[in-house]
Amino acid sequence: GAGVSQSPSNKVTEKGKDVELRCDPISGHTALYWYRQSLGQGLEFLIYFQGNSAPDKSGLPSDRFSAERTGGSVSTLTIQRTQQEDSAVYLCASSLRGLAGYEQYFGPGTRLTVT
Amino acid sequence: TQLLEQSPQFLSIQEGENLTVYCNSSSVFSSLQWYRQEPGEGPVLLVTVVTGGEVKKLKRLTFQFGDARKDSSLHITAAQPGDTGLYLCAASLIAGGTSYGKLTFGQGTILTVHP
Repeated sequence: GAGVSQSPSNKVTEKGKDVELRCDPISGHTALYWYRQSLGQGLEFLIYFQGNSAPDKSGLPSDRFSAERTGGSVSTLTIQRTQQEDSAVYLCASSLRGLAGYEQYFGPGTRLTVT
Repeated sequence: TQLLEQSPQFLSIQEGENLTVYCNSSSVFSSLQWYRQEPGEGPVLLVTVVTGGEVKKLKRLTFQFGDARKDSSLHITAAQPGDTGLYLCAASLIAGGTSYGKLTFGQGTILTVHP
């Protein structure tokens, strides 16, 4: 059974470049979440999708960050004009429903390093 | 602002010892989850607690949820080297009537169990 997959697993980019991070959720899971994990800030919520809609984008740190989800499945997180403070592990999770108490299954993350 | 205070941040103990990790907030949780994360992987759910005063056991792990649903603890009995990892509490907070699946995480406890 396939879990949540993310690609790439590691990404090194130069400051100012754009990056795209991909998440493939578990099939049939309607809810998808992006989180960011860094040493100083711990694990922080970025955005939540229910189907293809994003009812909560409150965690996106700036307008350089955007995300979309298509077909109720794959999601892409895009960071434009990357900065060194964007360096972190970006985690994606999916759950059967977007309600409290439903288990979120996490992918292995994408480690982003901005040089 | 850290809504979930988790302590201690680091714990280094010998095999066979007992330990407790705490997770506290001034906010009421609709549900609280404990995760374990190993290097290079995403967090894996250990337990979800929903009811105030609830106690759940998972082999040598005991999870408690405070009566007021503002705090929780994880107790490990007779720790083993295989318990080594990052332990995270996460909560779905009730804010403005919303209690969907968005998780707020504690800072985490890095547990090292020495043989």
